[in-house]
Amino acid sequence: QKEVEQNSGPLSVPEGAIASLNCTYSDRGSQSFFWYRQYSGKSPELIMSIYSNGDKEDGRFTAQLNKASQYVSLLIRDSQPSDSATYLCAVNMNSGGYQKVTFGIGTKLQVIP
Amino acid sequence: SQTIHQWPATLVQPVGSPLSLECTVEGTSNPNLYWYRQAAGRGLQLLFYSVGIGQISSEVPQNLSASRPQDRQFILSSKKLLLSDSGFYLCAWINGDRGRGSYNSPLHFGNGTRLTVT
Repeated sequence: QKEVEQNSGPLSVPEGAIASLNCTYSDRGSQSFFWYRQYSGKSPELIMSIYSNGDKEDGRFTAQLNKASQYVSLLIRDSQPSDSATYLCAVNMNSGGYQKVTFGIGTKLQVIP
Repeated sequence: SQTIHQWPATLVQPVGSPLSLECTVEGTSNPNLYWYRQAAGRGLQLLFYSVGIGQISSEVPQNLSASRPQDRQFILSSKKLLLSDSGFYLCAWINGDRGRGSYNSPLHFGNGTRLTVT
């Protein structure tokens, strides 16, 4: 079982729709969770972080965390063509005194104008 | 504010040649430093991490090595490159100050180096 699992996509949504991206993780000791956006040929950039169960909203983005189900999701409302990118789920675990950050393979999102 | 510099941006090297990629962080002290590799169509693979000067841990066996000669400098090296070493190499840092409860800090990436081994 992979430590962090994501569907690689592509996920295609029409402009203005809600894009829903999902991620599961295997280590129940995981403490913090992040979503990164990566445009083709560029490095990942942080868009959301979440640490406790529930929802966290930031503009058009909402991150959801359910530790009991070991599940993290990202909702993008009013999707725009500029949101087309690969979205990486990252999980941070304390491992022997350092922060081990493991990434999923990423979900490619395509927003169709 | 903190910034991370990584160079070169692109590199084309023949098989069997050596490699040296450098990364420096500004505006923070005692960072945890990381090297990741992203092969074409693949996810981010953690190669090395460091919690302090001279302290290097490897996540996967390979012909690469890393060094941390200064607190904010992290170097990735190879004596002889393989074709399979091609990829996008990313340096990253996290605030390593435990006293500030920073274990929930996010990872911050440099701009990356795209390495093509021919």
